[in-house]
Parts: sequence; structure tokens; C-alpha cells
Amino acid sequence: GENVEQHPSTLSVQEGDSAVIKCTYSDSASNYFPWYKQELGKGPQLIIDIRSNVGEKKDQRIAVTLNKTAKHFSLHITETQPEDSAVYFCAATFNDYKLSFGAGTTVTVRA
Amino acid sequence: NAGVTQTPKFRVLKTGQSMTLLCAQDMNHEYMYWYRQDPGMGLRLIHYSVGEGTTAKGEVPDGYNVSRLKKQNFLLGLESAAPSQTSVYFCATVNPGNYGYTFGSGTRLTVV
Repeated sequence: GENVEQHPSTLSVQEGDSAVIKCTYSDSASNYFPWYKQELGKGPQLIIDIRSNVGEKKDQRIAVTLNKTAKHFSLHITETQPEDSAVYFCAATFNDYKLSFGAGTTVTVRA
Repeated sequence: NAGVTQTPKFRVLKTGQSMTLLCAQDMNHEYMYWYRQDPGMGLRLIHYSVGEGTTAKGEVPDGYNVSRLKKQNFLLGLESAAPSQTSVYFCATVNPGNYGYTFGSGTRLTVV
């Protein structure tokens, strides 16, 4: 099956700075890469996604980049705010639309 | 409202007891999935279904069984619960046309 690795496992940033989370995947057939934000006691919420035919996608302060050749993709959060503090997961699809998740990154935004 | 509903939301079991978690969706999706999430880890796939009457194993299927007798329901069973099955369980569906994944709110299971 698909293997997704995510780094770093924890990230502390000063409010207003940028945060970057990186993921790699193993299955070259993967073609959909979502990012989820999970707050304590809640289910994962989709924040942005990217498909394999696109190299970059941006939504306000959040952007995702994909390098299919290197099989890695990254989440960029600019101008971080306290409400950005959460656990973030990357994921990649493989056969039967199954999602394989990274282990998660705990982001803490310091005021 | 359209979505995925999981019941129960919380449950405490004694070792050896059995239980069934129910996932119900009203979006007419063919694909349904059961994941578990343990502290410090991402979601891991237990079992999944690609349509009514079908089931398949995921990454961590041992100790669990599933059934998809009706398209809208996907049941996850624990025949003899073990402390290692203490986890948060999430159900999900997907609309393959737009990769629209919908997750339930989770079931927090503790096995003592």
C-alpha cells in the first residue's frame, strides 16, 4: 500500500511567521493529496487539496505545492495566527480511493 | 443535513466484550471506510467497502469485522475487545467524481 511520511512532527512558530510542513509518498499512481486540520476532540477537516495535474494551489494564507517527480508535497501557512494552532495531516490516495495519512504535525503559534 | 453519522460517540468496554460501531451516510456514496486514530499517529485504515455487499481489508484489520448489507450503512464489529483497540474510530465516504471525502465525528472507544 501507500506510505506517507510527514515532517516535522512538531512545529512552533511566532505569530505572523510562516509554517511549512512536508510530506513524501511512495505510490507513483497517487493523484490526489489533501491536507487536514484536526482540533482537539474533533474529526479531520479538509483545509486544502491538490491534484496530480497541478503544481501549486493557494487559498488565502494557505498554499500547497506538489512535485510529482520527487513524490513530495508541502503545506505553507503564511501570517500564522493563534487559531492556526492544531494538528495537521497530509494524505495521499491510492487504489479504491483509499487515503493514506502522514503521522501528523502539531503546530503551535506563539503569541 | 447530508453527511456521515457515527454511533455511538463514546463507549467503554471491558476486555473480551463485543460491540458494533455504526456508520450511516445519506449521500448515496459507494465507497466507505473505517479508520482508527491513535495518539501521535495519523488515521490508519481498518476495512473498507466499494459498494453494498462488499468489504475489503485495510492496513490494520486484525480483531475487526465489517459488514455492508445496506449501501447507506457500514458496520464495524469488535468480537472480543482488547485494550490495544482503545482508539478513536472514524468513518468516511468519498465521492470519486470530485474526491469529496466526508468524515464522521468519531467514536471514542476505551477498552479496560
